[in-house]
Amino acid sequence: GENVEQHPSTLSVQEGDSAVIKCTYSDSASNYFPWYKQELGKRPQLIIDIRSNVGEKKDQRIAVTLNKTAKHFSLHITETQPEDSAVYFCAATDSWGKLQFGAGTQVVVTP
Amino acid sequence: ETGVTQTPRHLVMGMTNKKSLKCEQHLGHNAMYWYKQSAKKPLELMFVYNFKEQTENNSVPSRFSPECPNSSHLFLHLHTLQPEDSALYLCASSQDRVNTEAFFGQGTRLTVV
Repeated sequence: GENVEQHPSTLSVQEGDSAVIKCTYSDSASNYFPWYKQELGKRPQLIIDIRSNVGEKKDQRIAVTLNKTAKHFSLHITETQPEDSAVYFCAATDSWGKLQFGAGTQVVVTP
Repeated sequence: ETGVTQTPRHLVMGMTNKKSLKCEQHLGHNAMYWYKQSAKKPLELMFVYNFKEQTENNSVPSRFSPECPNSSHLFLHLHTLQPEDSALYLCASSQDRVNTEAFFGQGTRLTVV
């Protein structure tokens, strides 16, 4: 089955700087890669996703890149703000279409 | 409000108790899921239902018993749990089982004493 690894587990950035979270996956058949944000005490919510026929996708300050050959994908947050502080989860679908999640990255944006 | 509602939000139960978690979605989705979220661990998929039929059981102990009476409702029946079962239990739904966005409920924080 699919195995998703996520790094780093914690990330502290200064407000205004960029944050990058990286994930690797094992199933070469995976073709859908969403990113979820979970604020303290709240539900995970989708912030951006990418499919395997695309190498990069951007939505305002958030971008995701996908390298299918290397089987890794990354989340980039630019001009970070305090409200970006949360746990971010990457995920990848396995051959059956099931979402497998990474362990999460705790992002702390300090003023 | 994302349209996925879970009750109760918090639950404390003894190891000999029987309780049920409830999930309801108003999004017209066909697939529903139970996930377990423990501290510092990935979200663990427990069960998947597609069109009311269970399609996945991720080696979950029998003390967890799911029920899906229709496409809008999902239950997780609990009995004789262990303290290590304490976690946040998240319900989610998606339009289809494959490669579509999952919408999560706010979860039930379960504590087994």
